Amino acid sequence: GNSVTQMEGPVTLSEEAFLTINCTYTATGYPSLFWYVQYPGEGLQLLLKATKADDKGSNKGFEATYRKETTSFHLEKGSVQVSDSAVYFCALVSVTGRRALTFGSGTRLQVQP
Amino acid sequence: NAGVMQNPRHLVRRRGQEARLRCSPMKGHSHVYWYRQLPEEGLKFMVYLQKENIIDESGMPKERFSAEFPKEGPSILRIQQVVRGDSAAYFCASSPTSKDYNEQFFGPGTRLTVL
Repeated sequence: GNSVTQMEGPVTLSEEAFLTINCTYTATGYPSLFWYVQYPGEGLQLLLKATKADDKGSNKGFEATYRKETTSFHLEKGSVQVSDSAVYFCALVSVTGRRALTFGSGTRLQVQP
Repeated sequence: NAGVMQNPRHLVRRRGQEARLRCSPMKGHSHVYWYRQLPEEGLKFMVYLQKENIIDESGMPKERFSAEFPKEGPSILRIQQVVRGDSAAYFCASSPTSKDYNEQFFGPGTRLTVL
């Protein structure tokens, strides 16, 4: 079955530091890949997505590249801000079969001023 | 265009009571998904519905849980005889009709606390 593995948190960084949150997946076929962000007390917001190999999703300075050969979709940002503090979820959906999202366990990011 | 609406945002129930969670999808969306998030965990799929049909309920417990998405009105997730282990955040997501991948838009969630 499908699964997503994320690096455990919390990740604590100083403002303007470089961010990487690792995500690897197992899936049948060629899934679409997503990063969602959850701010305290809120629902999930789609941050970025990629639907095929070598696609790069980007939004608000965050980037992730769909790497089929390593089954990875690592999230990166060159310079984090305090406002980026949140929980980040990597997820996938199979384009055939079940349409439900499969999520990783989430990585909490804390950015200190 | 309003987003996905869920109510109530917070719900407190005593053990043995019933909980009803409501979800109104985005305008034009006919697919609804329910997910459960236990404390400090990721979201787990429960059920996928289209109007008047349950498409996939493989993630939903067989006992006490049911879901519907009627022709008119919101989708309802119903939990009968709640237990403390049902305490969680329940998120609804909706997507438009699509033959390809379905981008899902999430509501703010209902946080259920069972005393």
